[in-house]
Amino acid sequence: LAKTTQPISMDSYEGQEVNITCSHNNIATNDYITWYQQFPSQGPRFIIQGYKTKVTNEVASLFIPADRKSSTLSLPRVSLSDTAVYYCLVGGSGSARQLTFGSGTQLTVLP
Amino acid sequence: NAGVTQTPKFQVLKTGQSMTLQCAQDMNHNSMYWYRQDPGMGLRLIYYSASEGTTDKGEVPNGYNVSRLNKREFSLRLESAAPSQTSVYFCASRFLPGTTQNNEQFFGPGTRLTVL
Repeated sequence: LAKTTQPISMDSYEGQEVNITCSHNNIATNDYITWYQQFPSQGPRFIIQGYKTKVTNEVASLFIPADRKSSTLSLPRVSLSDTAVYYCLVGGSGSARQLTFGSGTQLTVLP
Repeated sequence: NAGVTQTPKFQVLKTGQSMTLQCAQDMNHNSMYWYRQDPGMGLRLIYYSASEGTTDKGEVPNGYNVSRLNKREFSLRLESAAPSQTSVYFCASRFLPGTTQNNEQFFGPGTRLTVL
């Protein structure tokens, strides 16, 4: 199973761009990279998913280098409401099994 | 659409008591999952059901049983609760394991369980 490593916590200020990097050295060929966001007392919420290069949606961008051993979630112009825990998961979308979420990165956005 | 619903929202048990956590989804998803989340930790997979009629163990299955009652419902049972099972339990569902893009999991609001 592909293990992921993320920073435990990050601080940022409102209006800044935030980049959270996840390391996944033993990612498999058919594995996708997925990021979730979790607010206190809520279940995680899907942010973005990608396989290689760059993926962008209305909320975030995901950058994946050619070797796919890491990925970076980019949140443009964060606000106080982006304060949450962010989880990086690696796994095959073709498999029903989901990997353990890990401890995630606590992002705190300061005014 | 209600999405993924879980009952109860809160529960307090005494050691040795049993209970069943209920989960239902109305999105016609094939796969369903049960996770637990301990304070300050990430989610750990207890059991999952790839499709109606099948169930498989996850990372931490000991002390739990599951039933995929039908396509909509997936229940988690604690036969003899222990203080170590104090946690927040999340149910999730996903559309089709075989699809590739944005195959996201949708999570319920969680059940906060305390075992005394």
